[in-house]
Amino acid sequence: RKEVEQDPGPFNVPEGATVAFNCTYSNSASQSFFWYRQDCRKEPKLLMSVYSSGNEDGRFTAQLNRASQYISLLIRDSKLSDSATYLCVVNFPTGANNLFFGTGTRLTVIP
Amino acid sequence: DGGITQSPKYLFRKEGQNVTLSCEQNLNHDAMYWYRQDPGQGLRLIYYSQIVNDFQKGDIAEGYSVSREKKESFPLTVTSAQKNPTAFYLCASSGYGGRSSYNEQFFGPGTRLTVL
Repeated sequence: RKEVEQDPGPFNVPEGATVAFNCTYSNSASQSFFWYRQDCRKEPKLLMSVYSSGNEDGRFTAQLNRASQYISLLIRDSKLSDSATYLCVVNFPTGANNLFFGTGTRLTVIP
Repeated sequence: DGGITQSPKYLFRKEGQNVTLSCEQNLNHDAMYWYRQDPGQGLRLIYYSQIVNDFQKGDIAEGYSVSREKKESFPLTVTSAQKNPTAFYLCASSGYGGRSSYNEQFFGPGTRLTVL
């Protein structure tokens, strides 16, 4: 089983739509969770951290379900500029701050 | 401006050659990391370093070597022993190398290596 699993998509949605991505992780002892955004041929950039209580940043909402070991990202009112690949990232409880990256979910927002 | 720089942006290598990829950060981060990314795959950890003069192998260290002589610098050498080196190489750093929550990693712009 992979440490982090995501649906690769692609998700093609019209502007203004709401879209949600889920991600599952294998290690129940993981403590840190993130969503990164990666544009084509660019480096990943942190979109948001995911806290136990859930958190919101503008049109983006992230949630964590520890019991089921999954995290989610909700994007409301999609913009063309949201088109990118979204990476689910989870730390593993070792001595180092090592992160495991999902393969990403590709989103295309259509005019 | 604080950040991570990588050079070169594109690199072409002939088979049998060693090449070194540069990674520099001025974020005063203790920990630094090297990943490779192949199409359709997630980032895979090559090497990481939590402190100067110390580094550890990641999941795919074979055919690679690193050094960490300065806090700011973590160069990666791709040796001729690496069988399939063509990939996108990403360097990252984080503010704390020990056990901690919420210590996200910040990435450089990457080096795209192609073996001819």
